[in-house]
Amino acid sequence: AQSVTQLDSQVPVFEEAPVELRCNYSSSVSVYLFWYVQYPNQGLQLLLKYLSGSTLVKGINGFEAEFNKSQTSFHLRKPSVHISDTAEYFCAVSALTGGGNKLTFGTGTQLKVEL
Amino acid sequence: DGGITQSPKYLFRKEGQNVTLSCEQNLNHDAMYWYRQDPGQGLRLIYYSQIVNDFQKGDIAEGYSVSREKKESFPLTVTSAQKNPTAFYLCASSPILTGGSSEGYTFGSGTRLTVV
Repeated sequence: AQSVTQLDSQVPVFEEAPVELRCNYSSSVSVYLFWYVQYPNQGLQLLLKYLSGSTLVKGINGFEAEFNKSQTSFHLRKPSVHISDTAEYFCAVSALTGGGNKLTFGTGTQLKVEL
Repeated sequence: DGGITQSPKYLFRKEGQNVTLSCEQNLNHDAMYWYRQDPGQGLRLIYYSQIVNDFQKGDIAEGYSVSREKKESFPLTVTSAQKNPTAFYLCASSPILTGGSSEGYTFGSGTRLTVV
């Protein structure tokens, strides 16, 4: 079985500052990794995903994430945040075998961008 | 445009009533899912279905029921047995692929259910 840990439930940051949202996963098999964003009272929207190849993945809205297999991490970063980035962010994992195509989600990190 | 539609966006239920939340997708996805979201608790899986006329319980199925009579539709009924139904409900869909879910899920915009 897979599991996902998002280490920070809330991350406050000032506008134009860099941010990193942490995600660690556990799995006995190879995985696909995802980051989703949820704005208030809306569904989740895919930000980016890692399937294979380059460990640095670029997504929408200027976000990027780096897959680190040895540390089983997939941290999300943005070099300069905007007030509109205030939202909840979810990390998710899908096992390549035995997972039945289901995603396992972390508990989410609330990013609050302040002026 | 293909997508997944949840309705209504807001729903109010009196205690003791059953209510049904609608979820429709035109993405030709085989799998559909229902999640419940409460503040600070992330997403909790209620039910999922990978094929028409078949579905499985998730982690918190008690007090809920579903049906999958058509590939496009996966309605969720919140029954009177659900003691604390006030929450945000999300429906999602995905293709069934060999070798893991490389497409991830597509989510609807959610239904906020409030017991009055």
